[in-house]
Amino acid sequence: LAKTTQPISMDSYEGQEVNITCSHNNIATNDYITWYQQFPSQGPRFIIQGYKTKVTNEVASLFIPADRKSSTLSLPRVSLSDTAVYYCLVGGLSGSARQLTFGSGTQLTVLP
Amino acid sequence: NAGVTQTPKFQVLKTGQSMTLQCAQDMNHEYMSWYRQDPGMGLRLIHYSVGAGITDQGEVPNGYNVSRSTTEDFPLRLLSAAPSQTSVYFCASSWGQRDQPQHFGDGTRLSIL
Repeated sequence: LAKTTQPISMDSYEGQEVNITCSHNNIATNDYITWYQQFPSQGPRFIIQGYKTKVTNEVASLFIPADRKSSTLSLPRVSLSDTAVYYCLVGGLSGSARQLTFGSGTQLTVLP
Repeated sequence: NAGVTQTPKFQVLKTGQSMTLQCAQDMNHEYMSWYRQDPGMGLRLIHYSVGAGITDQGEVPNGYNVSRSTTEDFPLRLLSAAPSQTSVYFCASSWGQRDQPQHFGDGTRLSIL
């Protein structure tokens, strides 16, 4: 079971770049790494997904080193509306769904 | 485009009562799942389904039943509510099993007295 470890909380200021790192030492060969964002009273929302190296979309970048034992979500120029909990999820849904693991998440607070 | 719809949004039950949490999606997704989220913890998988007529247990299935008679609907049943089941419940769906981004509903906040 690929357990994930993330910082419990982070603070940043508007306009800064934020990097949130997730450790997943037991990641399996077939596992992907997915990040979700969750606002209060809402369900998680997909941000980005990757398998190795770097992935970038319109809202974030995901950096995955060669050993894949960690990953870093990068949010460029954050705003107040980026204040949320960010979850790192490791695992595929094929095979045993018990392999799908959400960590406790990182509470990001963006300050003015 | 409704996405994943959960009802009710809030519910209070007494210990021993039963109820069904409803989940419906309009995206023709094969995969649907139920999670619970407790304070200070991430989401934990209760049950999931890979298609109509097929369900399986997740990490914390005890005390819950599911069925999947149609692609659209995936209800979660609490057989005999216990205070330990006080939680926020999320339903999610995705195109397929493997590594597909999941679409979540906005949750049902359930309190068991």
